[in-house]
Amino acid sequence: GQSLEQPSEVTAVEGAIVQINCTYQTSGFYGLSWYQQHDGGAPTFLSYNALDGLEETGRFSSFLSRSDSYGYLLLQELQMKDSASYFCAVRWGGNNFNKFYFGSGTKLNVKP
Amino acid sequence: NAGVTQTPKFQVLKTGQSMTLQCAQDMNHNSMYWYRQDPGMGLRLIYYSASEGTTDKGEVPNGYNVSRLNKREFSLRLESAAPSQTSVYFCASGGGIGNTIYFGEGSWLTVV
Repeated sequence: GQSLEQPSEVTAVEGAIVQINCTYQTSGFYGLSWYQQHDGGAPTFLSYNALDGLEETGRFSSFLSRSDSYGYLLLQELQMKDSASYFCAVRWGGNNFNKFYFGSGTKLNVKP
Repeated sequence: NAGVTQTPKFQVLKTGQSMTLQCAQDMNHNSMYWYRQDPGMGLRLIYYSASEGTTDKGEVPNGYNVSRLNKREFSLRLESAAPSQTSVYFCASGGGIGNTIYFGEGSWLTVV
């Protein structure tokens, strides 16, 4: 089955760096995605890791360790607009390699 | 660019009523999804379709049926609505080898 764990809430100040962790247990793991969702909005794609290591996209980076079943999203130079919920999602492999299962989300509060 | 379009945006149903949520995508994606999101929760996969004519159950399929009418459209039907189905429903689509799924804006459903 699939199980993802991430912290429920994180608070940080503007300009700081914050790391949101995600651990997963799943058979047929294929990759880990990260999505951002503002209140009342739809989730939007941030990053994806299929291989171990760090993927960087502007202020956002994502890391994966397949051997540890662990990943994180790193947000640098935090801005007020980064206040949102962040979800990790497991892409399931095998015959259903395009199934995505989401964690419960981490609410990020950015304070001035 | 329309992306993923779902209707209706808001709906109030009485217990026992039926309704269909419609979803269409114009990105020529093979995979389509229906998720539900309860307050403060993550997204839970209801049903998934890998391609036209195929559907597969997700984490919470009970009480729902789906139909992949063609490559563009994927509908979700509640045959006999229950208060437990009060939620925000998101339709999404994704490419065959791609690692990104794109969400519609959501449908807010209340069952009284």
